[in-house]
Amino acid sequence: DAGVIQSPRHEVTEMGQEVTLRCKPISGHDYLFWYRQTMMRGLELLIYFNNNVPIDDSGMPEDRFSAKMPNASFSTLKIQPSEPRDSAVYFCASSYRGGYTFGSGTRLTVV
Amino acid sequence: GENVEQHPSTLSVQEGDSAVIKCTYSDSASNYFPWYKQELGKGPQLIIDIRSNVGEKKDQRIAVTLNKTAKHFSLHITETQPEDSAVYFCAAGGNQFYFGTGTSLTVIP
Repeated sequence: DAGVIQSPRHEVTEMGQEVTLRCKPISGHDYLFWYRQTMMRGLELLIYFNNNVPIDDSGMPEDRFSAKMPNASFSTLKIQPSEPRDSAVYFCASSYRGGYTFGSGTRLTVV
Repeated sequence: GENVEQHPSTLSVQEGDSAVIKCTYSDSASNYFPWYKQELGKGPQLIIDIRSNVGEKKDQRIAVTLNKTAKHFSLHITETQPEDSAVYFCAAGGNQFYFGTGTSLTVIP
């Protein structure tokens, strides 16, 4: 298995632009999680899905953030409009009855 | 919600010595406690986990202990090697996990 695949690996965008991060979970995993990692706040859970259904989005910072999982093999995290304080590494993780498998992350820089 | 505290935030040990990282949690409903290792530029990698019905688990040089009564669990790395240098995270929860703030471990050759 190729593991959890995230794209792009790096994204630099200007403030106000829309950003879309992508994730392909491991086949057969029924949970998918989006995390944000910063030096100040560590690993923060943004939202998670079970069987493609959003279960808890209380970690989403504000309405500028949205996430979708149209099928079991794909999820997106969208930020519109982006702001400099959104700069962070965003991780996607998937799981089935146990610990998460994380992707390699997307490093987002908003200038 | 769950609150996970992790100590120390940084740890330096000589190669060959042991390293211990400790975590506490607040929610007695938490029943799964994984540990992750994160190397620079990579995502966290699961290295060992323990469930609430087990007190200790060992995998080669790595062991984890759990005290449910006191709500704390620990990671023990013996015979440390330079490649063990990384940031280690504990987590607690059930279907979703809450992570500690991380411990930056440096193994000095």
